[in-house]
Amino acid sequence: GDSVTQMEGPVTLSEEAFLTINCTYTATGYPSLFWYVQYPGEGLQLLLKATKADDKGSNKGFEATYRKETTSFHLEKGSVQVSDSAVYFCALTLTGGTSYGKLTFGQGTILTVHP
Amino acid sequence: DGGITQSPKYLFRKEGQNVTLSCEQNLNHDAMYWYRQDPGQGLRLIYYSQIVNDFQKGDIAEGYSVSREKKESFPLTVTSAQKNPTAFYLCASMRTLPPEAFFGQGTRLTVV
Repeated sequence: GDSVTQMEGPVTLSEEAFLTINCTYTATGYPSLFWYVQYPGEGLQLLLKATKADDKGSNKGFEATYRKETTSFHLEKGSVQVSDSAVYFCALTLTGGTSYGKLTFGQGTILTVHP
Repeated sequence: DGGITQSPKYLFRKEGQNVTLSCEQNLNHDAMYWYRQDPGQGLRLIYYSQIVNDFQKGDIAEGYSVSREKKESFPLTVTSAQKNPTAFYLCASMRTLPPEAFFGQGTRLTVV
């Protein structure tokens, strides 16, 4: 079946450090890929997405590129802030068939940024 | 503003009780989903509905039930058969093109 694997956390960084959270996937079709962010006690918010190979999603200084050859969608940010502290989820959904719209999530990575 | 509304935000259940979590959307999306989140784990799919009056079991449907009588509403009932219901429950709807899921703020259910 489809699956998403994220790097194990938690991740602790100092403000202005470079961030990478690795995400790899397996899928039987042609997935769309997403990064969601969850702040304490809240639901998930879409951070960025990519719907086909080589697409780059970007938002709020975060970037991720859809790499079909390595089945990866790593999240990066050049300079993190304290306000980026949250849980980050990588996810995929297939774009057709009976599984359409069902999101498969990674286990989440807790990011803590210290001043 | 369009969005997903879940209620209540906190819910306490006694042993043996059924409780119902509300999820309403005004985004005009056909598909809606219920996920369960446990500490340190990702989200697991409980039930989903791709159209009114139809729904499918997800990966962990045992002990839960749903209905989809209206496009806007997708309530989840946690029955007494669910042995470990304490968790954070998230409802979502999915836009078709381009694909994107929209989440509610969640309901935290605690068994007392």
